Amino acid sequence: AQSVSQHNHHVILSEAASLELGCNYSYGGTVNLFWYVQYPGQHLQLLLKYFSGDPLVKGIKGFEAEFIKSKFSFNLRKPSVQWSDTAEYFCAVTAGGSTLGRLYFGRGTQLTVWP
Amino acid sequence: GAVVSQHPSRVICKSGTSVKIECRSLDFQATTMFWYRQFPKQSLMLMATSNEGSKATYEQGVEKDKFLINHASLTLSTLTVTSAHPEDSSFYICSAPPTGGNPQYFGPGTRLLVL
Repeated sequence: AQSVSQHNHHVILSEAASLELGCNYSYGGTVNLFWYVQYPGQHLQLLLKYFSGDPLVKGIKGFEAEFIKSKFSFNLRKPSVQWSDTAEYFCAVTAGGSTLGRLYFGRGTQLTVWP
Repeated sequence: GAVVSQHPSRVICKSGTSVKIECRSLDFQATTMFWYRQFPKQSLMLMATSNEGSKATYEQGVEKDKFLINHASLTLSTLTVTSAHPEDSSFYICSAPPTGGNPQYFGPGTRLLVL
């Protein structure tokens, strides 16, 4: 079965610091990769996605992620975080070509940004 | 983007009663919807895949007789927690993919507390 690992459970940064959240998955075939964000009291929102093509994908709010197939990784990055980025971040994976869209989630990383 | 709503947002019930949670896609049709459960500080766990016009597909370990799913139309899926017990207390989230695949759009979730 597929699994998704997010090794950082809680990350604390000051504003303007750079961010990188790790995500590794276990699946040998083609994958679709996602990062979702959950702001306090709100529902999950899609930050960015990778289906194919350029492994460096850009999402909303200045976030980007790089798919490194050889490392089974899809790390999320942002060069300069803001206080408003405080949220829970989830990495998710689904098998490429899956018509069911069945998502496997990592356990999430809580990001706290101090002003 | 696509909008998914859930009702109610939170519910408190007595042990032994049944609770129905609705998931609606507001501006698109969804032949497939997904139901997740999220425990505090943990990941989203897929419970079942709701299929319009056919039976739901349950994940291993999820009791289908306890968590009844009905996909009544292309915009509505319901999850009924039957004979609820305190251990069923959790955050239930639904999602729907507008194109039948990904990305999925998530509802705001329903907080269930069973006393």
